[in-house]
Amino acid sequence: GEDVEQSLFLSVREGDSSVINCTYTDSSSTYLYWYKQEPGAGLQLLTYIFSNMDMKQDQRLTVLLNKKDKHLSLRIADTQTGDSAIYFCAESQGGKLIFGQGTELSVKP
Amino acid sequence: AAGVIQSPRHLIKEKRETATLKCYPIPRHDTVYWYQQGPGQDPQFLISFYEKMQSDKGSIPDRFSAQQFSDYHSELNMSSLELGDSALYFCASSLRLAGSRLYEQYFGPGTRLTVT
Repeated sequence: GEDVEQSLFLSVREGDSSVINCTYTDSSSTYLYWYKQEPGAGLQLLTYIFSNMDMKQDQRLTVLLNKKDKHLSLRIADTQTGDSAIYFCAESQGGKLIFGQGTELSVKP
Repeated sequence: AAGVIQSPRHLIKEKRETATLKCYPIPRHDTVYWYQQGPGQDPQFLISFYEKMQSDKGSIPDRFSAQQFSDYHSELNMSSLELGDSALYFCASSLRLAGSRLYEQYFGPGTRLTVT
C-alpha cells in the first residue's frame, strides 16, 4: 500500500536477530499491526501496538514505535528457519487495514 | 480455537463467468472484511460488514458485490470475471468492542481464484 512502506527483503542467519522496518503516513492511526504470511497461506496476526506506546514485547517479538517519525519496527530474537515468511505491517483506517508491501525474511541455517 | 473458514479453497473460472466465495467468521465475531491479494502484492481492502450492514468500502469493482447474512457468514459475488481478477481472496473477522479502535482481524486461509 502506498501509505505504508517496507523494505522488500531481509536475509539473516539462524540464531541472529531480525529487524523489519516500516514507515506509515496516517498520524491518526491508533493501532499498528504486524502480520506473518507463509507461502500459500493466510495472514497470521503476530502482534499489535497502541500508538501511545513506544515498545511492546511478546516472547521473541519486540515492537518499537517512533510516532514522531512514523516508524515501526519488528525485532525477532533468535530467528529460526521457521520464521522464514513475508511480514506485513499494517495501519488501520476506520477498521480497514492498509498493508505495506511486505518484507520477505529469509533465514539461512 | 475455531478459525475463519473460507470456501472453496481453490476456484478456476473462465472469463465472463461468475464466482461466489464464502466466508464463515470466528464464532461471536460481528465484523467481516474481504481483501484481495494479487501475486507478489500486499492485500487490498475490498469491503467490510458489521452486524450485517456494509460498514466500509474500498477498491471493489462494481462487478463485485457482497453481503453478510443473519448467521454472520458472508459471500463475495463476482461477475463478468476478468483475467486480472485472478488473486487470493481473504476473508477476515473481528469482534468490535464498544469505544475501542482496536481491530484484531483474524484471516482465513484464502480462496485462490484463477480466471482463464
